[in-house]
Amino acid sequence: SAVISQKPSRDICQRGTSLTIQCQVDSQVTMMFWYRQQPGQSLTLIATANQGSEATYESGFVIDKFPISRPNLTFSTLTVSNMSPEDSSIYLCSVETGGYTFGSGTRLTVV
Amino acid sequence: GDSVTQMEGPVTLSEEAFLTINCTYTATGYPSLFWYVQYPGEGLQLLLKATKADDKGSNKGFEATYRKETTSFHLEKGSVQVSDSAVYFCALSLTDSWGKFQFGAGTQVVVTP
Repeated sequence: SAVISQKPSRDICQRGTSLTIQCQVDSQVTMMFWYRQQPGQSLTLIATANQGSEATYESGFVIDKFPISRPNLTFSTLTVSNMSPEDSSIYLCSVETGGYTFGSGTRLTVV
Repeated sequence: GDSVTQMEGPVTLSEEAFLTINCTYTATGYPSLFWYVQYPGEGLQLLLKATKADDKGSNKGFEATYRKETTSFHLEKGSVQVSDSAVYFCALSLTDSWGKFQFGAGTQVVVTP
């Protein structure tokens, strides 16, 4: 299965700022997925990112708040924009390459 | 819509006890079913999976059988260790939505010596 490098692993950010999370995969993948895990809760899919097209967002998530880039088949970024304390969560990327792999996550705290 | 329901935690057990975590699902198609584990401070790891009815997934002493008739995928381990303390997530993925998961709420398991 694929190996995912996700960074930063954690960050503490001021409200109103933005943070970009990077996800690097060691093999080419068609689709990459971004999830959010709010404190004490399960994972919720934010969006699906295909290379060469706009990301597809799930209900409740919008591009202005969570812009995603997918410049090639091994890399994607998720930006959390204009952050508020409610954005404090773990953000994970995921890919499927014969097995289902998740990144180790980015633990974001907004103060 | 598709959903996964799993038993609430925390589940507290003594070492060597038997563990069961119930998971049921609703899905419009034919899902694959998964158990993921999240150890403290770490990311999500695939524990086991089953892709069709009556399949049994197993790994590290954990087992789960895909029961279509009861729409269930209960996780079991015969003798838990302190190192099994973690949060366990049941999840499904539909065959036409590979890589997109619907997760249960997670069940925290605490194993005491």
